[in-house]
Amino acid sequence: IAGITQAPTSQILAAGRRMTLRCTQDMRHNAMYWYRQDLGLGLRLIHYSNTAGTTGKGEVPDGYSVSRANTDDFPLTLASAVPSQTSVYFCASSELAGGSDTQYFGPGTRLTVL
Amino acid sequence: GQNIDQPTEMTATEGAIVQINCTYQTSGFNGLFWYQQHAGEAPTFLSYNVLDGLEEKGRFSSFLSRSKGYSYLLLKELQMKDSASYLCAVTGSNYQLIWGAGTKLIIKP
Repeated sequence: IAGITQAPTSQILAAGRRMTLRCTQDMRHNAMYWYRQDLGLGLRLIHYSNTAGTTGKGEVPDGYSVSRANTDDFPLTLASAVPSQTSVYFCASSELAGGSDTQYFGPGTRLTVL
Repeated sequence: GQNIDQPTEMTATEGAIVQINCTYQTSGFNGLFWYQQHAGEAPTFLSYNVLDGLEEKGRFSSFLSRSKGYSYLLLKELQMKDSASYLCAVTGSNYQLIWGAGTKLIIKP
């Protein structure tokens, strides 16, 4: 593994189902982030983690949860998917937290909720 | 409030120069990032400006004016591979990045 990986690459999901998007980084970065990207809108922060064991809410956290049990992994869970959660989801990491360090992005997960 | 404005789309000719503008309002400014995103791919880092002025990096340069809440990305000697979206991002009041919607740059031969 080099950098950040995400799984799955794409997924079609029935509304009401539970889904976990996986994100793993091997750079030993302290901070990790989940964004969603929708056409015509900028990247919007869902949740973030400044260091292992801590998480915080971003701009659009409703309907999503995260955990950060260790440095490398930062899964995003949709407890009960709704069509408005159809989007491309990007995981990112940075060595330092605080918004002034370069963020490195995973390849993304394209999620469709029907 | 917090917001970032960029033009939605720009068109330029191969070999030419293009300037992509970004204006922002934020209460927690720590610096301004530019990222490049090719269609269907992840954003990749281009530049980071903290101080006023121009920073040059090969064919790409980025300018920042903190007093005006303004930045631009200058791309010289345009190549077809520069066709992509260019994203501007600044630190928001919660010390997380807020992102512009991106400028789609179309390069014509």
